[in-house]
Amino acid sequence: AQKVTQAQTEISVVEKEDVTLDCVYETRDTTYYLFWYKQPPSGELVFLIRRNSFDEQNEISGRYSWNFQKSTSSFNFTITASQVVDSAVYFCAFYPPGANNLFFGTGTRLTVIP
Amino acid sequence: EAQVTQNPRYLITVTGKKLTVTCSQNMNHEYMSWYRQDPGLGLRQIYYSMNVEVTDKGDVPEGYKVSRKEKRNFPLILESPSPNQTSLYFCASRGRSNEKLFFGSGTQLSVL
Repeated sequence: AQKVTQAQTEISVVEKEDVTLDCVYETRDTTYYLFWYKQPPSGELVFLIRRNSFDEQNEISGRYSWNFQKSTSSFNFTITASQVVDSAVYFCAFYPPGANNLFFGTGTRLTVIP
Repeated sequence: EAQVTQNPRYLITVTGKKLTVTCSQNMNHEYMSWYRQDPGLGLRQIYYSMNVEVTDKGDVPEGYKVSRKEKRNFPLILESPSPNQTSLYFCASRGRSNEKLFFGSGTQLSVL
C-alpha cells in the first residue's frame, strides 16, 4: 500500500530562518510522482512542484528547494530565509502509476513568526 | 483562465437535508475527483470520474453520491448529511494521469 508520512505536524520558525519540511513515502513501484502543495490561511491548494521518480536532481525555485532521495524514500522541502507569507499548511503527495488517486500526507503547519 | 470552480464556498445545513456542491472545470479535463480534508487526516478521496458517465469510489465514499453527465461538471451530492460529514471539500481535475491536480477553492461544510 502506498503511504506518505509527514511526521512534523506543526513547525514554528522566526522570520528569516531556514526550515525543512520532511516527507517520507512508501512504495514498491519504481515509477511514481511526488508533489508538494501549499495551503495558505485562505484555504486554497496551491501547486508547488511535481517530481518523477527518475529525476533525483534537486530543484531550486527562488527561496524554495526540494531534495529528492530515492535511497531514503524522502522528498524534503526547504524554505530559505522564511517569510511571514510562507505561513501555511504544506502537503506532500504521492502518485503511483495507474492509480486514480493522489495520496496525501497529513500536512505540516508552518508558522513564521515576524 | 484555467480553473476549477466550486460552489458554495461555505455551507451550513442540518442533518438530513439534501445538498449538492457543484464543481465545474474549463480545461476539458477527463479526470475529476472529490476530496475531503479533515484535521490530522490530510486529504482523502471520496469519488473520482475518468470521463463522462464513468465514476468510481475513492477511499471514503460512504454517504456521498456523484454524477458526471457532462465533461465539465462533477457535482457532489449528500442525500442525507450527518455531522460527521462536516469537513472542507475540494474538487479537482487533471489532464494526463501524471499531471498535477487543479483544485477548486474549497467548500467548508458544517452539518448541525
